[in-house]
Amino acid sequence: AQSVTQLDSQVPVFEEAPVELRCNYSSSVSVYLFWYVQYPNQGLQLLLKYLSGSTLVKGINGFEAEFNKSQTSFHLRKPSVHISDTAEYFCAVSFLYGGSQGNLIFGKGTKLSVKP
Amino acid sequence: NAGVMQNPRHLVRRRGQEARLRCSPMKGHSHVYWYRQLPEEGLKFMVYLQKENIIDESGMPKERFSAEFPKEGPSILRIQQVVRGDSAAYFCASSPPGRGGQNIQYFGAGTRLSVL
Repeated sequence: AQSVTQLDSQVPVFEEAPVELRCNYSSSVSVYLFWYVQYPNQGLQLLLKYLSGSTLVKGINGFEAEFNKSQTSFHLRKPSVHISDTAEYFCAVSFLYGGSQGNLIFGKGTKLSVKP
Repeated sequence: NAGVMQNPRHLVRRRGQEARLRCSPMKGHSHVYWYRQLPEEGLKFMVYLQKENIIDESGMPKERFSAEFPKEGPSILRIQQVVRGDSAAYFCASSPPGRGGQNIQYFGAGTRLSVL
């Protein structure tokens, strides 16, 4: 069965420090990968996506992620965080083939807390 | 270009009542997805619809829940005889026509259902 694991439920970090939010997935078929951000009481906003091509993808707000097929990972990084990055971050996968190709499978989320 | 519109934003129901959640997709989008987010959990897929068709309902509870996306008007998620366990945030997403897995899903702000 396909699954997404976000290893850290909470990540506290100081402003201007680098951050990495980890995501691993399990799938027997090829996947597309996404990171979404959710601010309090709001919907999800797409940060970045990997569909094909270069394994390093850049997104909005200075975030980037690297697809590592051998480690089945898609970790999200930012070299210097801001207070405004405080939010919950969700990793998600969808599938190229099969009956479930329409839906996203989400991890449980990582709450990033940026402190001054 | 308006985003995905969900209403109401907040809905309070007593046990045994019906809840109707509405979702208007982005202009030009013909695919709609419903997800449920329980506290401290990621989003769980419920159902994937195209106009007048249910494509994948593998995530829908077997009883009391139904969804539709008529030719005209918004998509509706209907929960009959609500119970306290139905309290959650329900998110709708839409995507343009094309191959399901790589379509970017755009999310609404959600409907937060509270069952008393």
